Amino acid sequence: DVQLVESGGNSVQPGGSLRLSCAASGFTFSNSWIYWVRQGPGKGLVWVSRISPEGKVVNYEDSVRGRFTMSRDNARTTAYLEMNSLRGEDTAIYYCARGSHGWSGIDFWGQGTLVTVSS
Amino acid sequence: EIVMTQTPLSSPVTLGQAASISCRSSRTLVHNDGNTYLTWLHQRPGQPPRVLIYKISNRFSGVPDRFSGSGAVTDFTLNISRVEAEDVGLYYCMQGTEFPHTFGPGTRVEIK
Repeated sequence: DVQLVESGGNSVQPGGSLRLSCAASGFTFSNSWIYWVRQGPGKGLVWVSRISPEGKVVNYEDSVRGRFTMSRDNARTTAYLEMNSLRGEDTAIYYCARGSHGWSGIDFWGQGTLVTVSS
Repeated sequence: EIVMTQTPLSSPVTLGQAASISCRSSRTLVHNDGNTYLTWLHQRPGQPPRVLIYKISNRFSGVPDRFSGSGAVTDFTLNISRVEAEDVGLYYCMQGTEFPHTFGPGTRVEIK
């Protein structure tokens, strides 16, 4: 079974940093795009970043570009999201998700990890 | 980016009755390859989203046949033929035709 397990969420002060991890199993990780999607409290889903299978292409949503860095280690089947200069509006559940195979979209989602930015 | 809208935003339904959710995109979702990458997601309270329908009308693995999708170009519909208690929660449409992939605002389905 496809599994995506996020970790690293925590409470931090504005301006602080966090590193999220997404451990994958049950599929060929090195063949898959990986996404981070976030959901603010009581809000909808917003794409944050994505990385290509070999890690050569990384895209970011405008509000996080320059502050967040996504990377991956195919040998460890893990993706990462390094978050710096955190702001209150970054408070959200962060989901790791897999780019779908056979069609364009997202198919499997992790359980999510909570990031709270507050003083 | 493509903007996705949904109606209604809230849908109280009676158990066993049908429910319908509409989704509209600000531009055509027909990809250059001829496919239309419109996905429906369901999110139960406290759970991550899961895929119900992809490419307008294809049910994802394990999804009951009471869920069906239809539509074309910019207008799409998710139908639930007989609502069950486990169907409560938020329903999102999502487009994968253009990057960035974008989501609708969500429709909350609750039992009357």
